Amino acid sequence: AQSVTQLDSHVSVSEGTPVLLRCNYSSSYSPSLFWYVQHPNKGLQLLLKYTSAATLVKGINGFEAEFKKSETSFHLTKPSAHMSDAAEYFCVVSLGDSNYQLIWGAGTKLIIKP
Amino acid sequence: KAGVTQTPRYLIKTRGQQVTLSCSPISGHRSVSWYQQTPGQGLQFLFEYFSETQRNKGNFPGRFSGRQFSNSRSEMNVSTLELGDSALYLCASSLTRLNYGYTFGSGTRLTVV
Repeated sequence: AQSVTQLDSHVSVSEGTPVLLRCNYSSSYSPSLFWYVQHPNKGLQLLLKYTSAATLVKGINGFEAEFKKSETSFHLTKPSAHMSDAAEYFCVVSLGDSNYQLIWGAGTKLIIKP
Repeated sequence: KAGVTQTPRYLIKTRGQQVTLSCSPISGHRSVSWYQQTPGQGLQFLFEYFSETQRNKGNFPGRFSGRQFSNSRSEMNVSTLELGDSALYLCASSLTRLNYGYTFGSGTRLTVV
């Protein structure tokens, strides 16, 4: 069965330092993987997506993620955190070829310290 | 271009009542999905519509229903509201059913009292 595990419920970093949000997935198929961000009291915004092209995916706002099949991971990184990055981040996997339902991770709240 | 529009933004209803939420997808998008977001359960899939047909349904009771119109606009209905239905309901649209990424609306915050 497909599943997504976000390894940290909260991550706290200082402004200007690197960000790492961890995500592991389980999928019987070649998965499509996504990262979404949700700012307080706002809807969800697509940060980036992996759909079997390049394994290193670049997204908006300086974020990128690397698909590692051997580790079944899709970690999200950013070289230098900004105060505006404070939000909740969701790792998402699609169910596969004939089912377009998305399976969502529990979310990681990113806290930026000044 | 206009994004996904959900109306109303906020709603307060009494237990036992019913409610209808509306979602207008991005122009040209034919797939609309609905999600319930609560602090305890996170994001849970309700259903997906494509070309006016429900293609997938999540694990929710029959009190939750939806439909999609020929212009791809979608409505979600919850009957006999319970306190536990209080949540942020999010609608997402996509050009096709392929997983190229959904665009989400800002959601409807439903409070059941």
